[in-house]
Amino acid sequence: DAGVTQSPTHLIKTRGQQVTLRCSPKSGHDTVSWYQQALGQGPQFIFQYYEEEERQRGNFPDRFSGHQFPNYSSELNVNALLLGDSALYLCASSGTGTENTGELFFGEGSRLTVL
Amino acid sequence: GNSVTQMEGPVTLSEEAFLTINCTYTATGYPSLFWYVQYPGEGLQLLLKATKADDKGSNKGFEATYRKETTSFHLEKGSVQVSDSAVYFCALKRYSTLTFGKGTMLLVSP
Repeated sequence: DAGVTQSPTHLIKTRGQQVTLRCSPKSGHDTVSWYQQALGQGPQFIFQYYEEEERQRGNFPDRFSGHQFPNYSSELNVNALLLGDSALYLCASSGTGTENTGELFFGEGSRLTVL
Repeated sequence: GNSVTQMEGPVTLSEEAFLTINCTYTATGYPSLFWYVQYPGEGLQLLLKATKADDKGSNKGFEATYRKETTSFHLEKGSVQVSDSAVYFCALKRYSTLTFGKGTMLLVSP
């Protein structure tokens, strides 16, 4: 049973560019959350998707946007990249109904470097 | 708002030493509490959890008790191993989102 998978694992962009990160949730999970982990810090909540809609959002600007597809996979888009966007981006999935254990399962992350 | 404060690291111990990593929280309502571990170059793995006051979470020799009166969830292990070297994050969950502390690096030497 595959866990949460993310791609790409590493990428380098320059300021002003745009980036798309991808996430496939754990089998049976329908809710995807995205977190940003800056170097030496704890992860910070960006937003959460359920039923293809953004359900909750943390304190991040509109440059950060997302999407969830009918197969529950998700994308995180960041526009007009800033140096401060350099971080590890973590995707976490969770289930509802019988799949709801209260636990979030994390992928290994996509490390973004902005030059 | 919700917040988690954990002791700063790194915590440096010799193998078989006793470990305590302090964690306190501020939250509205009654959150669930978690400890996650992050090994170098990897994502986060759930170590243990507690969903209500006085619950004790345990896994792989690690324990933490949900103390509502002191709003704490300290992580303990009686005898650490070199393989326990990692960064440990305390977190609380409200409305299905996690709020993390800044993490505590643990370094265990042989």
